[in-house]
Amino acid sequence: AQSVSQHNHHVILSEAASLELGCNYSYGGTVNLFWYVQYPGQHLQLLLKYFSGDPLVKGIKGFEAEFIKSKFSFNLRKPSVQWSDTAEYFCAVNEGAGGTSYGKLTFGQGTILTVHP
Amino acid sequence: GAGVSQSPRYKVAKRGQDVALRCDPISGHVSLFWYQQALGQGPEFLTYFQNEAQLDKSGLPSDRFFAERPEGSVSTLKIQRTQQEDSAVYLCASSLGLAGLTGELFFGEGSRLTVL
Repeated sequence: AQSVSQHNHHVILSEAASLELGCNYSYGGTVNLFWYVQYPGQHLQLLLKYFSGDPLVKGIKGFEAEFIKSKFSFNLRKPSVQWSDTAEYFCAVNEGAGGTSYGKLTFGQGTILTVHP
Repeated sequence: GAGVSQSPRYKVAKRGQDVALRCDPISGHVSLFWYQQALGQGPEFLTYFQNEAQLDKSGLPSDRFFAERPEGSVSTLKIQRTQQEDSAVYLCASSLGLAGLTGELFFGEGSRLTVL
């Protein structure tokens, strides 16, 4: 079975600091990778996704993530965080299309990011 | 509506009570998922519908949990004889097509169930 591990439960940064949130998954086959974000009081929403091609993917609000297949990792980065980035971030994976995939996601446990102004 | 709508937003049940949680997906969305999110954890898959067909219920934790989507739109998650360990946020998500191909699930705000 797939599993997703997020290394940090809570990250605290000051505005303008750089961010990197770790995500590792365990699945040997083709995967699709996602980062979802949940802002305070709001629903989960997609930040970015990787299906294939360029392993460096860019999402909304200046976020990017790099897929490193050899490390089973999909870390999320942002060069300079803002107070409005305060949220909980979830890494997720599903088996790649072409198998039996219909989009069932396996989520990590989440990382709470707090950005101080 | 514009997004996935869930009701009730909050539900307090006494242990042993039955509860029903409703999900109204985005109109026209084929795929519908239910997830359970315990405090401090990520969402965990419960079940999946493609239109009215329940294609995967492997995540339902016990036979006390039952989900349906009889007309391929609104879905209900029913929990019978609730237990304290059922306390969690129940998330509904929908996707226009096969989400494995489109890559994005649209989530509702969830129904927070507290079992006393």
